[in-house]
Amino acid sequence: QVQLQQWGAGLLKPSETLSLTCAVYGGSFSGNYWTWIRQPPGKGLDWIGEISHSGSTNYNPSLKSRLTISVDTSKNHFSLNLTSVTAADTAVYYCARGSGTYTGVLDYWGQGMLVTVSS
Amino acid sequence: DIQMTQSPSSVSASVGDRVTITCRASQGISSWLAWYQQKPGKAPNLLLYAASSLHSGVPSRFSGSGSGTEFTLTISSLQPEDFATYFCQQANSFPLTFGGGTKVEIK
Repeated sequence: QVQLQQWGAGLLKPSETLSLTCAVYGGSFSGNYWTWIRQPPGKGLDWIGEISHSGSTNYNPSLKSRLTISVDTSKNHFSLNLTSVTAADTAVYYCARGSGTYTGVLDYWGQGMLVTVSS
Repeated sequence: DIQMTQSPSSVSASVGDRVTITCRASQGISSWLAWYQQKPGKAPNLLLYAASSLHSGVPSRFSGSGSGTEFTLTISSLQPEDFATYFCQQANSFPLTFGGGTKVEIK
């Protein structure tokens, strides 16, 4: 059974850098894309970006200038860094697995983590 | 970006009712569509992919149809555990985008 467990700082000040990490347990780390999604309070889901086990990335253009997604295959971890955060970045952040057999389908999700940006 | 529009935004229904949710894409996405269920305070769970393929472990009362720009999710006989919010998502092109969600509430 595939499980994703995520962690990071939950409270940031404007202009700081948001950093989250997601650990993957079970299943194959290669052959899938590892994805970040966020959900502002009471709103819908926004795709942030994804990374393959080899480090190939796809980013949402709306965040690309501030975004880095990286992978550590030795630990089966992947990470999200988002610089210069503002209140608009306040959201629950989820990590998820992109299906290796059907591109873009998110078949396993982490538990989510609320990140609040406030002065 | 491909815009995904769901309707209705909310629906009130009773246990045993048939519920249908519609998702429209701003341009053709073939069958590159997934549906997710989200309960309060929880991560979304995948229900269907490729518009009509049921994800492992999902009850058969859930079904999906459509291709191109118009898609539907049907719950054939609503169960108490199905009261939740449902999202569609296009997997045709980057950035991946989601519909605004449909909340299924108890009547």
